[in-house]
Amino acid sequence: GAVVSQHPSWVICKSGTSVKIECRSLDFQATTMFWYRQFPKQSLMLMATSNEGSKATYEQGVEKDKFLINHASLTLSTLTVTSAHPEDSSFYICSADGLATDTDTQYFGPGTRLTVL
Amino acid sequence: GENVEQHPSTLSVQEGDSAVIKCTYSDSASNYFPWYKQELGKRPQLIIDIRSNVGEKKDQRIAVTLNKTAKHFSLHITETQPEDSAVYFCAASIGGSNYKLTFGKGTLLTVNP
Repeated sequence: GAVVSQHPSWVICKSGTSVKIECRSLDFQATTMFWYRQFPKQSLMLMATSNEGSKATYEQGVEKDKFLINHASLTLSTLTVTSAHPEDSSFYICSADGLATDTDTQYFGPGTRLTVL
Repeated sequence: GENVEQHPSTLSVQEGDSAVIKCTYSDSASNYFPWYKQELGKRPQLIIDIRSNVGEKKDQRIAVTLNKTAKHFSLHITETQPEDSAVYFCAASIGGSNYKLTFGKGTLLTVNP
């Protein structure tokens, strides 16, 4: 139980385009989803916290107009990287916790590797 | 906000030896401390967690200890195996749904056969 999926697993795009990443909780309802960014050989850096039906809460230094987060249902959150540039290239990982899981525990998706040319 | 320090950044052990990774946290309100294992290019996997109402928790070869007074917690892996090689992250949270995890910088554990 408590499986989280992400799509796509990797994406290559041209500079200036937008990319949407989906995060789904497959067997539980996720009241809260978290979006992280991870650079090579570094830790997970929280970008934003997303609650179903409300606006995301962004961490300091994360541009909310560049990283659009939508949590439209209890099983789906999306992250859209708008007008992507090479410096946005990174590994993006979502996590979820929710109603039927052990409260506190976050379950991670497999990540999406974004490469911006 | 919360700050989590993790040491060492790299750790190399011989197969069968024990490995210990230590973390300290700054926010005394934190009460949930998970440990994640991440293999290269893969998702972090929860391997064990502890809450502040207990001082130690064990699961087969893995154990975690917590010292609330000193605000530090440690991961202990006994009888290490090559498949234990990965990056390990500690984290801290004030717990409950909605509450974010603050991660340490990670420890690259290498178990040499």
